[in-house]
Amino acid sequence: GAGVSQSPSNKVTEKGKDVELRCDPISGHTALYWYRQSLGQGLEFLIYFQGNSAPDKSGLPSDRFSAERTGGSVSTLTIQRTQQEDSAVYLCASSLTPYGYTFGSGTRLTVV
Amino acid sequence: AQSVTQLDSQVPVFEEAPVELRCNYSSSVSVYLFWYVQYPNQGLQLLLKYLSGSTLVKGINGFEAEFNKSQTSFHLRKPSVHISDTAEYFCAVSSNDYKLSFGAGTTVTVRA
Repeated sequence: GAGVSQSPSNKVTEKGKDVELRCDPISGHTALYWYRQSLGQGLEFLIYFQGNSAPDKSGLPSDRFSAERTGGSVSTLTIQRTQQEDSAVYLCASSLTPYGYTFGSGTRLTVV
Repeated sequence: AQSVTQLDSQVPVFEEAPVELRCNYSSSVSVYLFWYVQYPNQGLQLLLKYLSGSTLVKGINGFEAEFNKSQTSFHLRKPSVHISDTAEYFCAVSSNDYKLSFGAGTTVTVRA
């Protein structure tokens, strides 16, 4: 597609439920990143996929968070047993060249 | 590890006046530097980036920034702002791991 697509754009969930956030990167982009933007913490790196290499998961805040990337394209970020502190905007980015990130519009997650 | 400090959280400015947004970073290794803009309910859009070469970097929408290694700064400037420049601006730094570390952001409000 023309840009990085994220769905849903907004998600309200009850505390304790699991959620899945989806990212469709730009076609052909080999690198994919997830970031989280929250009021208290600003913008934080979560996870990075590059081609077929093992992902860099060093930014995931707890074992309730996981992500996968199928076929080197679409990525899903899963949050299990959501907590109120998980409320944030989750941003996905993809790139073909180093540092050539294109960001999606994000998914706004609200945990009530 | 690297970190970024944006010295001003809010910058009010009149239309057609110049603006400077200050950014300082700390890192023990060579860095790459970025400025992003975020309009309401949108993702991050790259304004400009410094990877190497000339320390004066020109970006989109009339913005420019200067990399100053001795002062570990990467301040963003625009000589004449428009109402449409009202947005949040983020400075970011990366080393060789492709992960971005962001500053807390500067909200620019342009008034007529």
